[in-house]
Amino acid sequence: GAVVSQHPSRVICKSGTSVKIECRSLDFQATTMFWYRQFPKKSLMLMATSNEGSKATYEQGVEKDKFLINHASLTLSTLTVTSAHPEDSSFYICSAQREAGELFFGEGSRLTVL
Amino acid sequence: GENVEQHPSTLSVQEGDSAVIKCTYSDSASNYFPWYKQELGKRPQLIIDIRSNVGEKKDQRIAVTLNKTAKHFSLHITETQPEDSAVYFCAALYTGTASKLTFGTGTRLQVTL
Repeated sequence: GAVVSQHPSRVICKSGTSVKIECRSLDFQATTMFWYRQFPKKSLMLMATSNEGSKATYEQGVEKDKFLINHASLTLSTLTVTSAHPEDSSFYICSAQREAGELFFGEGSRLTVL
Repeated sequence: GENVEQHPSTLSVQEGDSAVIKCTYSDSASNYFPWYKQELGKRPQLIIDIRSNVGEKKDQRIAVTLNKTAKHFSLHITETQPEDSAVYFCAALYTGTASKLTFGTGTRLQVTL
């Protein structure tokens, strides 16, 4: 299958700081990438759809000013958690979609906010 | 929008037995149905998928069936092995513009010796 790389895999930060997570599709161009949040033993919760060259589309209840998404190229999308707080601690996963619809996931990033 | 329901939430089978996980979807326009396997702390991995123009697809010990009329699809794992233990997610998608995958709630499969 296709390769999607996500970085960093693990990050610990202080409350009030911002954290950037990168998602790259390594062997295909992805006009659409998605960002999910996953709580322990739960399903993937879609946060936003990232479209190359345009603004991201956020799901209901997700603060766009809190979770900044940038999709500057066909192979890179970034998620920035701004002014992070302990309740933002979670497992964040990105995915990239190929033209035929197949979705491939990054490794995930575990964020811990102290 | 699309709504995907998945059952059961947990499933325990003995090694060598078969496991079946079922999902239903609500949007008749959905035409792509992938299944993902997620091990603890790792990313979901695509294990098999099926499109709406096909009723069944098989890949070694894994098979997926689709009933478009009833709007349900199932994952079948035969001759289960301990390494099949994981959480499995079904999903549905309409591969049109602005399409996004809707996931089921997941099934935790435990294969016991």
